Amino acid sequence: GQSLEQPSEVTAVEGAIVQINCTYQTSGFYGLSWYQQHDGGAPTFLSYNALDGLEETGRFSSFLSRSDSYGYLLLQELQMKDSASYFCAVLDTGRRALTFGSGTRLQVQP
Amino acid sequence: DADVTQTPRNRITKTGKRIMLECSQTKGHDRMYWYRQDPGLGLRLIYYSFDVKDINKGEISDGYSVSRQAQAKFSLSLESAIPNQTALYFCATLGGGTDTQYFGPGTRLTVL
Repeated sequence: GQSLEQPSEVTAVEGAIVQINCTYQTSGFYGLSWYQQHDGGAPTFLSYNALDGLEETGRFSSFLSRSDSYGYLLLQELQMKDSASYFCAVLDTGRRALTFGSGTRLQVQP
Repeated sequence: DADVTQTPRNRITKTGKRIMLECSQTKGHDRMYWYRQDPGLGLRLIYYSFDVKDINKGEISDGYSVSRQAQAKFSLSLESAIPNQTALYFCATLGGGTDTQYFGPGTRLTVL
C-alpha cells in the first residue's frame, strides 16, 4: 500500500517563499505529483516528478528524492491567490491510481 | 466547455435512498476514477476503471457500485445511502505524459 504525510497547515506572508514537504511509504510508484485545491473547487495539477531532482514551473518548483522517500513543493513570490490546499500524490505501479496525502492548507497573509 | 463534467453538482437525499452520480469526459482518456473527499482526509479512491470491461475497487468501495457505460461515461451509485456517505465526490480521468489526473467539478452529497 501507499501512505503519504504532509503538514496539515502552513502560514506565510505575501511575497515570501514556502516549502511544503511530503514523505511517503510506497511499494512502487511512477512519480510524485502535486495538486492545488481552492475551497469549493476541484484539485488541479501543478507539478510532477518522475525522476529525482528539481522540476520548475514558473513560481512553483517540485523536488523528489526516491532514496529519501521525500519530496517537496516550493512556492515563490507568494500571492494571496496561492491560499489553498496542496496535495502530494503518487501513482502506483500496480493500480495506475493516485494515492493522495491528506493535504496542506496554505494561508497567505498580507 | 469542461473536459470532465459531473451531475448533479449538489444533492440532498435521505437515508436509504438510491443515488446515482454521473460523470462524462471529452478528453478521450480510457482511465476514469471516483474519489471521495472528507474534511481533513484528502481524497480517497472508491472505484476506478481502465476501460468499459475493466472495473476495480479502491480503498473504500463498500456501499458503492459503479457502471462504465462507455469510454466517456462512468457513474457511481449509492444503493442505500447512509449519513456517513455525506461528502464531496470527484470523478477524474488520467492521461498525458505526466500521468495527470483531470478532475470534474465535484458533487456535494448530503445524506440526512
